[in-house]
Amino acid sequence: TQLLEQSPQFLSIQEGENLTVYCNSSSVFSSLQWYRQEPGEGPVLLVTVVTGGEVKKLKRLTFQFGDARKDSSLHITAAQPGDTGLYLCAGDRYNFNKFYFGSGTKLNVKP
Amino acid sequence: DTGVSQDPRHKITKRGQNVTFRCDPISEHNRLYWYRQTLGQGPEFLTYFQNEAQLEKSRLLSDRFSAERPKGSFSTLEIQRTEQGDSAMYLCASSLDTGDVTEAFFGQGTRLTVV
Repeated sequence: TQLLEQSPQFLSIQEGENLTVYCNSSSVFSSLQWYRQEPGEGPVLLVTVVTGGEVKKLKRLTFQFGDARKDSSLHITAAQPGDTGLYLCAGDRYNFNKFYFGSGTKLNVKP
Repeated sequence: DTGVSQDPRHKITKRGQNVTFRCDPISEHNRLYWYRQTLGQGPEFLTYFQNEAQLEKSRLLSDRFSAERPKGSFSTLEIQRTEQGDSAMYLCASSLDTGDVTEAFFGQGTRLTVV
């Protein structure tokens, strides 16, 4: 059983559409990170959210941390083919000194 | 310093052979992590170092696996008597422990194929 559950597992959309990816847990995290990973490469850090209810924007990407710090979402506006990749959420729990990853959402944006 | 560096990027080995991977973290980072990722899954924690001390090892890390960080800088991960189930992407990450929020930065990984 994974500590972080991501949904959906797969998403295939047309360029220009909006989408939301979810990351849920029954555990509280001190912070949560979102990464994007391309095939054959390591994950690249997109953002870190720390405060419950926090919203961060990175161009067309909007990240939200749940009030209780147990869940997070990533919303992409007007998706582009360059957004294609595996989106991973990872949580850092207090005093655990390691990151727990979800299984990822594989996004394909078709031109 | 351009980030976390891993070597080699790809390794194909025969079952039963030993392999060693190297990770060079971001220079000022005192924490170093090893993760393993199989196809379609998120990375799974293997072990982490605070400076040269190995502070935690996952139960995933069998006796055939050993990791070192001798001078608190680069790290090596060795797998002895490789098995086909060891085939995976091995990822290294580093972070700076400031007592505040920790952000981990990953290398490009080493893809291991055991034939």
